Amino acid sequence: RKEVEQDPGPFNVPEGATVAFNCTYSNSASQSFFWYRQDCRKEPKLLMSVYSSGNEDGRFTAQLNRASQYISLLIRDSKLSDSATYLCVVNIPGGGNKLTFGTGTQLKVEL
Amino acid sequence: DTEVTQTPKHLVMGMTNKKSLKCEQHMGHRAMYWYKQKAKKPPELMFVYSYEKLSINESVPSRFSPECPNSSLLNLHLHALQPEDSALYLCASSQGIAGGEETQYFGPGTRLLVL
Repeated sequence: RKEVEQDPGPFNVPEGATVAFNCTYSNSASQSFFWYRQDCRKEPKLLMSVYSSGNEDGRFTAQLNRASQYISLLIRDSKLSDSATYLCVVNIPGGGNKLTFGTGTQLKVEL
Repeated sequence: DTEVTQTPKHLVMGMTNKKSLKCEQHMGHRAMYWYKQKAKKPPELMFVYSYEKLSINESVPSRFSPECPNSSLLNLHLHALQPEDSALYLCASSQGIAGGEETQYFGPGTRLLVL
């Protein structure tokens, strides 16, 4: 089983749509969770950290379910500029701040 | 300011060349990282430095040699690389490596081509 699993997509959605991405992780001892976005041929950029209580930043909402080892990202009112690959990232316990990345979910927002 | 800078942006080198990649951050972060990313794959961790000391080497071949001259700078020295080492090399930094300090910020990367 992969340490972090994501549906690779692509998700093709019209502008204004709501889209949800899911991610599962295998190490129940993981404590830190993130969503990054990566545009083609660019570096990953932090979108948001994910907290147990859930968190929202504008059109973006992240949820964490520790019991199911499941992380989600919801994007509302999607924009053309949201087109990117979204990486689910989880820390590897044991020190050193090692992160493990999912393979990413590609989103294409269309007119 | 969450800026991490990397130079050069692009690098082409032969298998017998020696070159260096440079990374700099002025956020007062005490942990810095090197990652390698191949096309359509996620980043793979290579090295972690914490307080200027190497804390993790992910069994990287010795043709890659990291160096941390001070808390703001991180270098990656390259020697006798292979064509399969062609990739995007990303530097990242974080406040630290302990809980609450671990969010990593990435530089724009160096796109390396080995001929």
